[in-house]
Amino acid sequence: GAVVSQHPSWVICKSGTSVKIECRSLDFQATTMFWYRQFPKQSLMLMATSNEGSKATYEQGVEKDKFLINHASLTLSTLTVTSAHPEDSSFYICSARDFPRGQGAIAKNIQYFGAGTRLSVL
Amino acid sequence: RKEVEQDPGPFNVPEGATVAFNCTYSNSASQSFFWYRQDCRKEPKLLMSVYSSGNEDGRFTAQLNRASQYISLLIRDSKLSDSATYLCVVNINTGNQFYFGTGTSLTVIP
Repeated sequence: GAVVSQHPSWVICKSGTSVKIECRSLDFQATTMFWYRQFPKQSLMLMATSNEGSKATYEQGVEKDKFLINHASLTLSTLTVTSAHPEDSSFYICSARDFPRGQGAIAKNIQYFGAGTRLSVL
Repeated sequence: RKEVEQDPGPFNVPEGATVAFNCTYSNSASQSFFWYRQDCRKEPKLLMSVYSSGNEDGRFTAQLNRASQYISLLIRDSKLSDSATYLCVVNINTGNQFYFGTGTSLTVIP
Protein backbone atom coordinates (compact mmCIF):
# COMPACT_ATOMS: atom_id res chain seq x y z
CA GLY A 1 0.00 0.00 0.00
CA ALA A 2 0.85 3.65 -0.13
CA VAL A 3 3.25 5.11 2.43
CA VAL A 4 2.55 8.00 4.75
CA SER A 5 5.35 9.29 6.90
CA GLN A 6 4.63 11.11 10.15
CA HIS A 7 7.26 12.87 12.18
CA PRO A 8 8.13 13.03 15.01
CA SER A 9 6.93 9.77 16.48
CA TRP A 10 7.27 10.90 20.09
CA VAL A 11 7.41 14.33 21.67
CA ILE A 12 7.83 15.29 25.30
CA CYS A 13 7.57 19.00 25.97
CA LYS A 14 6.92 21.52 28.68
CA SER A 15 3.57 23.19 29.11
CA GLY A 16 3.28 26.28 26.92
CA THR A 17 5.49 24.93 24.15
CA SER A 18 4.24 24.69 20.58
CA VAL A 19 4.71 21.37 18.83
CA LYS A 20 4.73 20.83 15.07
CA ILE A 21 3.88 17.46 13.54
CA GLU A 22 4.53 16.67 9.87
CA CYS A 23 2.62 14.27 7.67
CA ARG A 24 3.96 13.35 4.25
CA SER A 25 2.60 11.11 1.53
CA LEU A 26 5.71 9.53 0.05
CA ASP A 27 4.52 7.83 -3.11
CA PHE A 28 1.27 9.51 -4.04
CA GLN A 29 -0.29 12.94 -4.13
CA ALA A 30 -2.82 13.60 -1.43
CA THR A 31 -5.17 16.49 -2.00
CA THR A 32 -6.80 15.62 1.30
CA MET A 33 -5.21 14.69 4.58
CA PHE A 34 -6.90 14.04 7.87
CA TRP A 35 -5.77 14.64 11.43
CA TYR A 36 -7.01 12.44 14.25
CA ARG A 37 -6.49 12.22 17.95
CA GLN A 38 -6.80 9.05 19.96
CA PHE A 39 -6.94 8.67 23.71
CA PRO A 40 -6.07 5.34 25.34
CA LYS A 41 -8.58 2.59 24.64
CA GLN A 42 -10.77 4.95 22.63
CA SER A 43 -11.53 5.23 18.97
CA LEU A 44 -9.96 7.68 16.56
CA MET A 45 -11.48 11.14 16.75
CA LEU A 46 -11.32 13.23 13.62
CA MET A 47 -9.97 16.68 14.42
CA ALA A 48 -9.81 18.28 10.99
CA THR A 49 -9.71 17.67 7.27
CA SER A 50 -6.82 19.32 5.52
CA ASN A 51 -7.19 20.29 1.89
CA GLU A 52 -4.21 21.28 -0.21
CA GLY A 53 -4.17 24.99 -0.92
CA SER A 54 -7.18 25.88 1.20
CA LYS A 55 -8.16 26.24 4.83
CA ALA A 56 -8.69 23.14 6.89
CA THR A 57 -12.14 22.09 7.97
CA TYR A 58 -12.31 21.55 11.72
CA GLU A 59 -14.68 19.26 13.55
CA GLN A 60 -16.99 20.68 16.13
CA GLY A 61 -15.25 21.35 19.39
CA VAL A 62 -11.75 21.52 17.90
CA GLU A 63 -10.17 24.95 18.27
CA LYS A 64 -8.58 26.04 15.01
CA ASP A 65 -6.37 28.58 16.76
CA LYS A 66 -5.11 25.84 19.06
CA PHE A 67 -4.48 23.27 16.35
CA LEU A 68 -3.03 25.03 13.33
CA ILE A 69 -3.07 23.06 10.12
CA ASN A 70 -1.14 23.89 6.99
CA HIS A 71 -1.41 21.86 3.79
CA ALA A 72 0.90 23.75 1.50
CA SER A 73 1.66 20.99 -0.99
CA LEU A 74 0.17 17.79 -2.33
CA THR A 75 2.48 15.71 -0.18
CA LEU A 76 2.78 17.61 3.09
CA SER A 77 0.43 18.68 5.84
CA THR A 78 1.48 19.97 9.23
CA LEU A 79 -0.35 20.19 12.53
CA THR A 80 0.92 22.62 15.13
CA VAL A 81 -0.34 22.28 18.68
CA THR A 82 0.09 25.79 20.00
CA SER A 83 0.85 26.43 23.67
CA ALA A 84 0.42 22.79 24.53
CA HIS A 85 -0.95 21.84 27.93
CA PRO A 86 -1.07 18.49 29.72
CA GLU A 87 -4.63 17.88 28.53
CA ASP A 88 -3.33 17.97 24.94
CA SER A 89 -1.28 14.85 25.65
CA SER A 90 -2.53 12.24 23.24
CA PHE A 91 -1.74 10.10 20.22
CA TYR A 92 -2.05 12.20 17.07
CA ILE A 93 -2.41 10.36 13.77
CA CYS A 94 -2.56 11.72 10.26
CA SER A 95 -3.86 10.01 7.18
CA ALA A 96 -3.73 10.78 3.50
CA ARG A 97 -6.34 9.84 1.00
CA ASP A 98 -5.22 8.12 -2.16
CA PHE A 99 -7.93 9.30 -4.47
CA PRO A 100 -6.77 9.81 -8.03
CA ARG A 101 -9.08 11.69 -10.29
CA GLY A 102 -10.61 9.92 -13.23
CA GLN A 103 -11.55 6.32 -13.68
CA GLY A 104 -11.51 3.94 -10.77
CA ALA A 105 -11.84 6.80 -8.30
CA ILE A 106 -14.03 4.86 -5.94
CA ALA A 107 -11.73 1.89 -5.97
CA LYS A 108 -8.84 3.99 -4.77
CA ASN A 109 -10.62 6.04 -2.13
CA ILE A 110 -8.45 4.70 0.65
CA GLN A 111 -6.93 6.38 3.66
CA TYR A 112 -3.37 5.48 4.58
CA PHE A 113 -2.22 6.35 8.05
CA GLY A 114 1.00 7.71 9.40
CA ALA A 115 2.61 5.93 12.31
CA GLY A 116 1.31 8.52 14.75
CA THR A 117 2.88 10.99 17.14
CA ARG A 118 2.70 10.41 20.84
CA LEU A 119 2.64 13.81 22.57
CA SER A 120 3.32 14.10 26.26
CA VAL A 121 3.06 17.58 27.77
CA LEU A 122 4.58 17.95 31.21
CA ARG B 1 -27.85 7.34 15.82
CA LYS B 2 -24.16 6.83 15.09
CA GLU B 3 -23.07 6.67 11.47
CA VAL B 4 -21.15 3.46 12.07
CA GLU B 5 -21.67 0.98 14.86
CA GLN B 6 -19.59 -1.99 15.89
CA ASP B 7 -19.75 -4.46 18.72
CA PRO B 8 -16.74 -3.43 20.83
CA GLY B 9 -16.23 -6.96 22.13
CA PRO B 10 -13.88 -8.11 23.45
CA PHE B 11 -13.86 -11.32 21.46
CA ASN B 12 -11.62 -13.94 23.01
CA VAL B 13 -11.24 -16.96 20.75
CA PRO B 14 -8.92 -19.98 20.70
CA GLU B 15 -6.31 -20.39 18.03
CA GLY B 16 -7.77 -21.92 14.90
CA ALA B 17 -11.27 -20.66 15.52
CA THR B 18 -13.41 -18.77 13.06
CA VAL B 19 -14.65 -15.40 14.22
CA ALA B 20 -16.94 -12.86 12.60
CA PHE B 21 -17.51 -9.18 13.26
CA ASN B 22 -20.39 -7.09 12.07
CA CYS B 23 -20.55 -3.40 11.41
CA THR B 24 -23.73 -1.47 10.61
CA TYR B 25 -23.94 1.90 8.91
CA SER B 26 -26.83 4.34 8.85
CA ASN B 27 -26.35 6.30 5.62
CA SER B 28 -27.64 4.51 2.55
CA ALA B 29 -25.49 6.76 0.36
CA SER B 30 -22.35 5.09 1.70
CA GLN B 31 -20.19 3.84 -1.14
CA SER B 32 -16.83 2.67 0.16
CA PHE B 33 -16.22 0.37 3.07
CA PHE B 34 -13.01 -0.62 4.76
CA TRP B 35 -11.70 -2.82 7.52
CA TYR B 36 -8.56 -1.66 9.28
CA ARG B 37 -6.68 -3.36 12.06
CA GLN B 38 -5.02 -1.39 14.80
CA ASP B 39 -2.49 -2.85 17.17
CA CYS B 40 -2.01 -1.34 20.59
CA ARG B 41 -0.30 2.06 20.43
CA LYS B 42 0.07 1.81 16.63
CA GLU B 43 -1.63 3.37 13.65
CA PRO B 44 -4.52 1.69 11.81
CA LYS B 45 -3.45 -0.43 8.86
CA LEU B 46 -5.71 -1.25 5.95
CA LEU B 47 -6.85 -4.84 6.02
CA MET B 48 -9.46 -4.92 3.31
CA SER B 49 -11.58 -2.61 1.21
CA VAL B 50 -15.07 -3.61 0.12
CA TYR B 51 -16.75 -2.06 -2.89
CA SER B 52 -19.18 -4.61 -4.23
CA SER B 53 -20.73 -7.56 -2.48
CA GLY B 54 -17.56 -8.80 -0.88
CA ASN B 55 -13.87 -9.40 -0.94
CA GLU B 56 -11.66 -12.29 0.12
CA ASP B 57 -7.98 -12.29 0.96
CA GLY B 58 -6.59 -15.51 2.35
CA ARG B 59 -8.15 -16.19 5.73
CA PHE B 60 -10.08 -12.94 5.68
CA THR B 61 -13.44 -12.42 4.01
CA ALA B 62 -15.39 -9.18 4.01
CA GLN B 63 -19.00 -9.05 2.90
CA LEU B 64 -21.28 -6.14 2.17
CA ASN B 65 -25.03 -6.26 2.54
CA ARG B 66 -26.46 -3.02 1.16
CA ALA B 67 -30.07 -3.97 1.82
CA SER B 68 -29.43 -4.40 5.53
CA GLN B 69 -26.64 -1.83 5.60
CA TYR B 70 -23.93 -3.84 7.22
CA ILE B 71 -20.52 -5.19 6.43
CA SER B 72 -18.93 -8.17 8.05
CA LEU B 73 -15.41 -9.47 8.51
CA LEU B 74 -14.79 -13.17 8.82
CA ILE B 75 -11.46 -14.51 10.03
CA ARG B 76 -10.83 -18.20 9.55
CA ASP B 77 -8.17 -20.28 11.31
CA SER B 78 -7.36 -17.49 13.77
CA LYS B 79 -3.72 -16.90 14.57
CA LEU B 80 -2.23 -15.34 17.68
CA SER B 81 -1.02 -12.50 15.46
CA ASP B 82 -4.62 -11.66 14.57
CA SER B 83 -5.07 -10.20 18.05
CA ALA B 84 -5.84 -6.51 17.49
CA THR B 85 -8.66 -4.02 17.29
CA TYR B 86 -10.58 -4.12 14.02
CA LEU B 87 -12.01 -0.83 12.80
CA CYS B 88 -14.88 -0.52 10.39
CA VAL B 89 -14.71 2.60 8.21
CA VAL B 90 -17.39 3.90 5.88
CA ASN B 91 -17.05 6.62 3.23
CA ILE B 92 -20.08 8.47 1.95
CA ASN B 93 -20.36 9.58 -1.65
CA THR B 94 -16.57 9.38 -2.18
CA GLY B 95 -16.32 12.70 -0.38
CA ASN B 96 -14.17 13.58 2.57
CA GLN B 97 -16.54 12.08 5.08
CA PHE B 98 -15.07 8.92 6.56
CA TYR B 99 -16.85 7.50 9.54
CA PHE B 100 -15.10 5.16 11.95
CA GLY B 101 -16.62 2.55 14.17
CA THR B 102 -15.33 2.34 17.71
CA GLY B 103 -13.50 -0.87 16.90
CA THR B 104 -13.87 -4.51 17.88
CA SER B 105 -11.22 -6.00 20.11
CA LEU B 106 -10.03 -9.51 19.26
CA THR B 107 -7.75 -11.65 21.38
CA VAL B 108 -6.69 -15.03 20.05
CA ILE B 109 -5.76 -17.36 22.87
CA PRO B 110 -3.19 -20.17 22.55
